[in-house]
Amino acid sequence: QVQLQESGPGLVRPSETLSLTCAVSGGSISSNYWSWIRQPPEKGLEWIAYIYHSGSTNYNPSLKSRVTISVDTSKRQISLKLSSVTAADTAVYFCARKQEGTWGTFDIWGQGTKVTVSS
Amino acid sequence: QSALTQPASVSGSPGQSITISCTGTSTDVDAYNYVSWYQQHPGKAPKVIIYDVTYRPSGVSNRFSGSKSDNTASLTISGLQAEDEADYYCSSFTVSSTWVFGGGTKLTVL
Repeated sequence: QVQLQESGPGLVRPSETLSLTCAVSGGSISSNYWSWIRQPPEKGLEWIAYIYHSGSTNYNPSLKSRVTISVDTSKRQISLKLSSVTAADTAVYFCARKQEGTWGTFDIWGQGTKVTVSS
Repeated sequence: QSALTQPASVSGSPGQSITISCTGTSTDVDAYNYVSWYQQHPGKAPKVIIYDVTYRPSGVSNRFSGSKSDNTASLTISGLQAEDEADYYCSSFTVSSTWVFGGGTKLTVL
């Protein structure tokens, strides 16, 4: 069974770049689409970006100018970089797998990593 | 892209049925049958309970059901149980090949 484990710095200073990693275990990283999704405190979910194992990507238009998603198949990792962070980027960040055979859903999620933006 | 519209909260007594609505637009909910519903308990990751409007993943109770009419999708939970108390989110794939989520609905079991 595929498992996802996010990791990150926990605390990031305003205006800096946030870097997160999602480790994929228990299954193939290939032939799958992988997304980052975030949840600010006491708020709803926001989809950030996806990447296919081949490197094809797409981004939430509201974040596109600040976000880069990448994949390292040899390390079995998906990475996210978010630049020029502000307090509004404080959130739990999840990585998730799009379910095979449909564009409809994310069937596997990591447990999330909490990121606080503060000086 | 704008978030899908969900009621902030719903409530029901054990054994009752409740329905949560999720309203989108012609570029998301009404564009495809790619609406999902997620259940999230405090401090946990979301768990998919309905996908592609009406399908339940293996292991999800048949007390959960989904439907859609035009730009509005709905989640119905029948025979409410205490363990159903959670936050529920809808999501939809969009014509721009992105995903959009609803703002979430807090279900209280009275």
